[in-house]
Amino acid sequence: LAKTTQPISMDSYEGQEVNITCSHNNIATNDYITWYQQFPSQGPRFIIQGYKTKVTNEVASLFIPADRKSSTLSLPRVSLSDTAVYYCLVAPLKAAGNKLTFGGGTRVLVKP
Amino acid sequence: DAGVTQSPTHLIKTRGQHVTLRCSPISGHKSVSWYQQVLGQGPQFIFQYYEKEERGRGNFPDRFSARQFPNYSSELNVNALLLGDSALYLCASSLVVASNTEAFFGQGTRLTVV
Repeated sequence: LAKTTQPISMDSYEGQEVNITCSHNNIATNDYITWYQQFPSQGPRFIIQGYKTKVTNEVASLFIPADRKSSTLSLPRVSLSDTAVYYCLVAPLKAAGNKLTFGGGTRVLVKP
Repeated sequence: DAGVTQSPTHLIKTRGQHVTLRCSPISGHKSVSWYQQVLGQGPQFIFQYYEKEERGRGNFPDRFSARQFPNYSSELNVNALLLGDSALYLCASSLVVASNTEAFFGQGTRLTVV
């Protein structure tokens, strides 16, 4: 499985855009990139998933360059409630077993 | 619609005891996975079940076991508890087995071993 590297923590302020970059240099052809969000004492929540270029939903955008060796999760105009840990995951397409490999994640603190 | 439900929410056990944690997946979901999350770390995969069969196992000792019932609910059992087993145990359900399928997590069971 591809190893992921992301910053341990980031601080931001309400209303700002937060960009979290994840490195996955040995990503395989069939790997998808998925981001999860986790609030304290809760289970992770799926945010967004992509394979290449750009994906956008009502919560975030995911930018993936052509070489796919990194990806950036973009959270527009964050609020205090966006304070959470964000995990970048890389997993092969239709693997035998729904094993999600979480790293340490990025702790995002949104300040007033 | 009810999400993934886990019981109990909190549990305190003594070293050497046994514990059973329960999980009910989202209606229609046939895949259930279990994760252990130690404080300050990301969740670690323990087991995955699909249609009552084990489809994946993480790097955990044989003290950990699980099963899935005909209604797709699941139990995680841990024998001979150690202090290091103290963690948040998370259950996730998904429609199918594929790892690019969105997984829905429950709130978890906070287990404290004293």
